[in-house]
Amino acid sequence: EVVLTQSPGTLSLSPGERATLSCRASQGVNNNLAWYQQKPGQAPRLLISGVSQRATGIPDRFSGSGSETDFTLTISRLEAEDFAVYYCQQYGSSPRTFGQGTNVEVK
Amino acid sequence: QLRLQESGSGLVKPSQTLALTCAVSGGPITSDNYSWSWIRQTPGKGLEWIGYIYHSGSTYFNPSLKRRVAISVDRPNNQFSLRLTSVTAADTAVYFCARGGGYCTSNSCYGTAFDLWGQGIPVTVSS
Repeated sequence: EVVLTQSPGTLSLSPGERATLSCRASQGVNNNLAWYQQKPGQAPRLLISGVSQRATGIPDRFSGSGSETDFTLTISRLEAEDFAVYYCQQYGSSPRTFGQGTNVEVK
Repeated sequence: QLRLQESGSGLVKPSQTLALTCAVSGGPITSDNYSWSWIRQTPGKGLEWIGYIYHSGSTYFNPSLKRRVAISVDRPNNQFSLRLTSVTAADTAVYFCARGGGYCTSNSCYGTAFDLWGQGIPVTVSS
């Protein structure tokens, strides 16, 4: 099973600042890596798949990068609606697995 | 626009069977290149993929749950279902249905992200 480790656990930032979230895989996932955003009481929402491809309707302040085992989600300038929990997920091998999440909170 | 909606019992007794259904509206469940998944979330274990089904009926499960899980598809009613047997308190979670997981052609198999989700249904296992 591929274990995904996200860091940091919590990121305290102000609106307008840049957020950098990390996801490390225990083995290569062949670029089959996605990022999701989840707000309280809601389902996760797909932001990015294939490491860097934004999903439909996702603003371009969200970007993904990385390869093999190290991946990054960057939010260039945080807006009020971006404060949430973010998960990475791999779909390169079975079982599909998720990271434990990074909480982006208002500083 | 495609939408997914979970339904089923929110309270299940220990050792009994959890049964949930996901209704898909706004598009056919038989679309090629899409599979249909169940995922659950708990405060302790986070998000856990349970398994997925392709419209042909092919299924793939998380090995950790494989012995207790069944997923089926109801094409005429455009829905798919989850059954989890012998439940314990550890199965208490919010259960989501989602589009994605993976699919196979005649030549290859591919993984896919979960691009659409239902709102989730909380299920408690308790006597």
